[in-house]
Formats: sequence, C-alpha cells, structure tokens
Amino acid sequence: DGGITQSPKYLFRKEGQNVTLSCEQNLNHDAMYWYRQDPGQGLRLIYYSQIVNDFQKGDIAEGYSVSREKKESFPLTVTSAQKNPTAFYLCASGLLWTGGYQPQHFGDGTRLSIL
Amino acid sequence: AQSVTQLGSHVSVSEGALVLLRCNYSSSVPPYLFWYVQYPNQGLQLLLKYTTGATLVKGINGFEAEFKKSETSFHLTKPSAHMSDAAEYFCAVSDRGNTGGFKTIFGAGTRLFVKA
Repeated sequence: DGGITQSPKYLFRKEGQNVTLSCEQNLNHDAMYWYRQDPGQGLRLIYYSQIVNDFQKGDIAEGYSVSREKKESFPLTVTSAQKNPTAFYLCASGLLWTGGYQPQHFGDGTRLSIL
Repeated sequence: AQSVTQLGSHVSVSEGALVLLRCNYSSSVPPYLFWYVQYPNQGLQLLLKYTTGATLVKGINGFEAEFKKSETSFHLTKPSAHMSDAAEYFCAVSDRGNTGGFKTIFGAGTRLFVKA
C-alpha cells in the first residue's frame, strides 16, 4: 500500500544536539510538508517543498532545516537553535489539484522530547 | 488573511446522538475547506473537502459538512455518533494568498468524546 513513513516514532534530543526526522513517501506526490503540532494549537507549517531540490519556509521555520534531494524523501533536521523542540511532528504529501498543492496524506508522526 | 476558528476545544456526545462540530473561517477569496480526523498518536486523515459546486459535502465514515458562505461556516455533522468516532477533528481552509500560491491553515482542533 502507498503511504508516508515517518521514523523514528519517538526521539529524544540532548541539549545542543541536532536531530533528524525521516519522512519517506511512495505515493509519487510532488509536494511534501512538515508540520509541528502542539496541544491546543493545531498544526503549524515548518517547511514545504513542491519539487525536488526546492523548498520554502513556512510559518515557523526558525531552528529547522530540510532537504529534498529525492522526490520520495523530505527529512527535517531540528537544530540546537530550536529552543523549544518538544512537539509532535507530522510529515504530509500532496498532488497538484484545482486548489493548488494541499496536504492530502499524513504520516503517523514523530514525537520529539528533550532529555 | 485566512483564519479558521473551531468553536469548542472539546465536545461530548452520547452514542447514537447527533455530532455537530463547528468551524468558521475568514478568507478574502473563495476558499477551499477541509475536515480532517486524527486518532491518538497518528497522523491526520482527510474526511471531506469542499471545492466548488454543491455546498453539502459528504465524506467518509458517515460525516458531512455544509458550506454556508453567508455565515462563513463549514460545520461538520454526523447523524448518529459511534464510539469509534472519538478523535480530534481539524477544520482547514486553503486559498490563493497574496503571493499567488495556495496556503492551508488549520484550526486548533476539537476533541470529540463519545459516551456509551
């Protein structure tokens, strides 16, 4: 079955450490997204990419970085500059349709905590 | 600028009762509207979406939503709640922003509790 795979499911970060969250999709979707979810705040867009080797900042990109070297993969690095990284991170993908690019399929998320 | 307001962070209904989850939006252009469902420790799943045409949209799991332009609302309903409907529900709006590209904004979510 096609879908989005996020790994790991749980991740712990030490102070000053960078960590990378993996996101792989086999849906052949052009667009991929990273969202951060905090209780009571809904989803906030971190980065998105509509084509390989190109990506755009979302609303809360500070302290995060991404790459899009392959259509299937869109890893997110949470850098030490992100002072409050504890959250649930969701990766999504989507095809171009009438409404432009819009997240259509989501992975099961990675829960990141500070040690 | 777009925004989405979900009225009530928590809603509790009895099994078999009507489910009504409220969503109001603001958008300067005709919007596309969505409802998603999220089960614990999982990603979001698209329930239904409104693009153009018929204002009553039917989705999966017996849910439907009605786009009311005059009220800027897109409330989600289900005639009879089931225990398996207990989850968090997110309303979202997407429109062509100032830069010409589409942007999707999510509401803060409403957690639905279903009592036996």
